[in-house]
Amino acid sequence: GESVGLHLPTLSVQEGDNSIINCAYSNSASDYFIWYKQESGKGPQFIIDIRSNMDKRQGQRVTVLLNKTVKHLSLQIAATQPGDSAVYFCAETTGGYQKVTFGTGTKLQVIP
Amino acid sequence: NAGVTQTPKFRVLKTGQSMTLLCAQDMNHEYMYWYRQDPGMGLRLIHYSVGEGTTAKGEVPDGYNVSRLKKQNFLLGLESAAPSQTSVYFCASHHRRLSTDTQYFGPGTRLTVL
Repeated sequence: GESVGLHLPTLSVQEGDNSIINCAYSNSASDYFIWYKQESGKGPQFIIDIRSNMDKRQGQRVTVLLNKTVKHLSLQIAATQPGDSAVYFCAETTGGYQKVTFGTGTKLQVIP
Repeated sequence: NAGVTQTPKFRVLKTGQSMTLLCAQDMNHEYMYWYRQDPGMGLRLIHYSVGEGTTAKGEVPDGYNVSRLKKQNFLLGLESAAPSQTSVYFCASHHRRLSTDTQYFGPGTRLTVL
């Protein structure tokens, strides 16, 4: 029979505004946390990662925040552009990328 | 570099048929992974490999087998396909020594099991 997929949560943001995408992770022993962007019909694309002993890491227009106390990860995108529209996934690793498991995704819609 | 390539891009199987999906990477990466992605969902790890000749189970390994006989290739086998295995399959690779280097993904294989 046909499988029923979950509907992804959607975040709608006005072009030029900042976006914040959140993720809860499960394994307190994970050593890296990663954010991926997936456009329709394509494979995931690495955006940024953060090591578990860090709280914050910045990239080009993106910032990742890690709160180990509540097992929470967030991705901030500054000055969101139409090209940022995609599904964003968080992931966690053990053994330094030996095993990489994905979390739930969030669909980002940028309103021109 | 071609990066990560997957063969085939599309395939339709009947229940009970078998097939092998091929993943190849030309970046000399030690780690390779197979994921499946169902509509509206995230990627789930099927199997992974941390080097030639080694494989390990991921989150959803049942119904699949893998082999890593050569460093550059990671094969995913379905011995007896079931409709529940209809999905998009992604392969990925990563360089062990570059801990913060990116994980590279292939373009995906869309498999339908009737």
